[in-house]
Amino acid sequence: KNEVEQSPQNLTAQEGEFITINCSYSVGISALHWLQQHPGGGIVSLFMLSSGKKKHGRLIATINIQEKHSSLHITASHPRDSAVYICAVSYSGAGSYQLTFGKGTKLSVIP
Amino acid sequence: NAGVTQTPKFRVLKTGQSMTLLCAQDMNHEYMYWYRQDPGMGLRLIHYSVGEGTTAKGEVPDGYNVSRLKKQNFLLGLESAAPSQTSVYFCASSYSTFRLSTDTQYFGPGTRLTVL
Repeated sequence: KNEVEQSPQNLTAQEGEFITINCSYSVGISALHWLQQHPGGGIVSLFMLSSGKKKHGRLIATINIQEKHSSLHITASHPRDSAVYICAVSYSGAGSYQLTFGKGTKLSVIP
Repeated sequence: NAGVTQTPKFRVLKTGQSMTLLCAQDMNHEYMYWYRQDPGMGLRLIHYSVGEGTTAKGEVPDGYNVSRLKKQNFLLGLESAAPSQTSVYFCASSYSTFRLSTDTQYFGPGTRLTVL
């Protein structure tokens, strides 16, 4: 079974800290997605990447295809970054528009 | 644009009752999806549709049916609800018109369903 593993499951940080969330997957992919789920439950897409690195504001996502690993970094973390961050992948081949999701990393940023 | 909307937001059912969840999108997206989210588990795909009039099974389709009679709407039905179907249900949509798409999925706000 193709799996997506995230670490850590829970993360507590002080405001201003640099945060890293990791995601690993088992087989070749078409793309990897990072999603954010707010405490109210809404889910938004942060990044979609198939190689290299993308940056949006204080968020940076990187992917290493050879190592089947991706990281999401948050610089200068803020309490409003508190959310669940979800990694999802589109596996290569048939049905690659379907996503397989990790269980999420719950981030709490304390003032 | 409203994006992806879901109706209702909350619902409580008794075992054996039926209901339909409605998902609507105004982005002219071809692909639509229904997921369920349970504590300690990742989102799991129930059913999906790659265009009007088409549906297909996902990872956990048992106990659910779907229909996509109009491009903008994707309905999820529970014919005889069971406590195991207590969950938060998310609808999503994405644009792509070609099979190997990796386009961003846009999610609805979710429906919290409790089956007693």
